[in-house]
Amino acid sequence: EVQLVESGGGLVQPGRSLRLPCAGSGFTFGNFALSWYRQAPGKGLEWVGFIRSKAYGGSAEYAASLEGRFSISRDDSNSIAYLQMNSLKAEDTAVYYCTRQITIFGVAMYMDVWGKGTTVIVSS
Amino acid sequence: DIQMTQSPSSLSASVGDRVTITCRASQRISSYLNWYQQKSGKAPELLIYGTSSLKSGVPSRFSGSGSGTEFILTISSLQPEDFATYYCQQTYSTPLTFGGGTRVEFK
Repeated sequence: EVQLVESGGGLVQPGRSLRLPCAGSGFTFGNFALSWYRQAPGKGLEWVGFIRSKAYGGSAEYAASLEGRFSISRDDSNSIAYLQMNSLKAEDTAVYYCTRQITIFGVAMYMDVWGKGTTVIVSS
Repeated sequence: DIQMTQSPSSLSASVGDRVTITCRASQRISSYLNWYQQKSGKAPELLIYGTSSLKSGVPSRFSGSGSGTEFILTISSLQPEDFATYYCQQTYSTPLTFGGGTRVEFK
């Protein structure tokens, strides 16, 4: 079964950092781009960013409002992607989802597999 | 950034009803339009990609159409398990953006 599992969420104080792992299984992890989304309580979906597969350079793109604080990396040997979140703010409180991103010639097309999400609460 | 506008934001319908949800893009996005279903407390799930391609395993009562800037999700005969929130998403350019969602509720 193709699966993505996020972890690492929890309660964190403003200004602190948190790293969210996303473990993949049931598919060749390194062949796919991975993306992160978030959903604040009672709100809609927001794109955080994605990381390309190594075949397309392994580079990442981010939502402009998050670039500089958030970064995405990947460890294909262990089938894990990471979302590093620094200088966290109250408005970063959300459920964070990891997804498998289908691309064609490196262009993002759609997200066909979603993890169950992990909840991050930023509060003192 | 490409703005995605969904309408209505919510609707009430009965089992067996035909339901249509519209998604408008602020600029042309070719066919780079996807639809997701999200049930309460769960992760979103892909329904339709590339405007009109049904994800494997998704019931055929779901269909998508449109082009350019206007897109439609149709549920031909609403079933009890279809009560959920539906989101459209454009992947024409980054930032990848979503519509605000359409909540389908039981009448």
